Amino acid sequence: KQEVTQIPAALSVPEGENLVLNCSFTDSAIYNLQWFRQDPGKGLTSLLLIQSSQREQTSGRLNASLDKSSGRSTLYIAASQPGDSATYLCAVESRTGFQKLVFGTGTRLLVSP
Amino acid sequence: DAGVIQSPRHEVTEMGQEVTLRCKPISGHNSLFWYRQTMMRGLELLIYFNNNVPIDDSGMPEDRFSAKMPNASFSTLKIQPSEPRDSAVYFCASSLSLGTRGTAYEQYFGPGTRLTVT
Repeated sequence: KQEVTQIPAALSVPEGENLVLNCSFTDSAIYNLQWFRQDPGKGLTSLLLIQSSQREQTSGRLNASLDKSSGRSTLYIAASQPGDSATYLCAVESRTGFQKLVFGTGTRLLVSP
Repeated sequence: DAGVIQSPRHEVTEMGQEVTLRCKPISGHNSLFWYRQTMMRGLELLIYFNNNVPIDDSGMPEDRFSAKMPNASFSTLKIQPSEPRDSAVYFCASSLSLGTRGTAYEQYFGPGTRLTVT
């Protein structure tokens, strides 16, 4: 059974810092990995999607990497801003569960001005 | 596009009552997902449909939960009878799936329904 873990559970940084969020998964047989952002009281917004054949994806100040063999992904946020404050979740689609996303418990990020 | 629409946004009910949550997926999407989010268990997939047909309901916790998708633009998740442990945020998501394994399909989430059962 696929299990997804995110470390740290919470992170507080001053504005302008570069930061890394970590995601690990137990079964490396995946189709893809996705990073989502969730604001309080809101739904999830997809940030980046990395297919199993890819090593990384970039969007603006965000860069996500995938090391399938070691079961790890990182989300790098450059020059953090207060507007980046949210909970970040990673989710994997395993080869044993087509279209079934297994989510991590998330990292709650607070960027202080 | 208005995105995925869910109603109601908040629901407070008493134990034993029937609860119906509603979802309108993004027009043109053919896959629909129901998730539940709690502090203890995080975000869990309950059931998903493809072309209005339930594909996997292994996440549905028990027989008190049922879901239907009578057409491509509407789905319901029903809990009967409701219990306090059903209190959670229920999300609906939709995607366009071409049915090709190994190709990623982005899921778009609705704002959720916060259910409180007292």
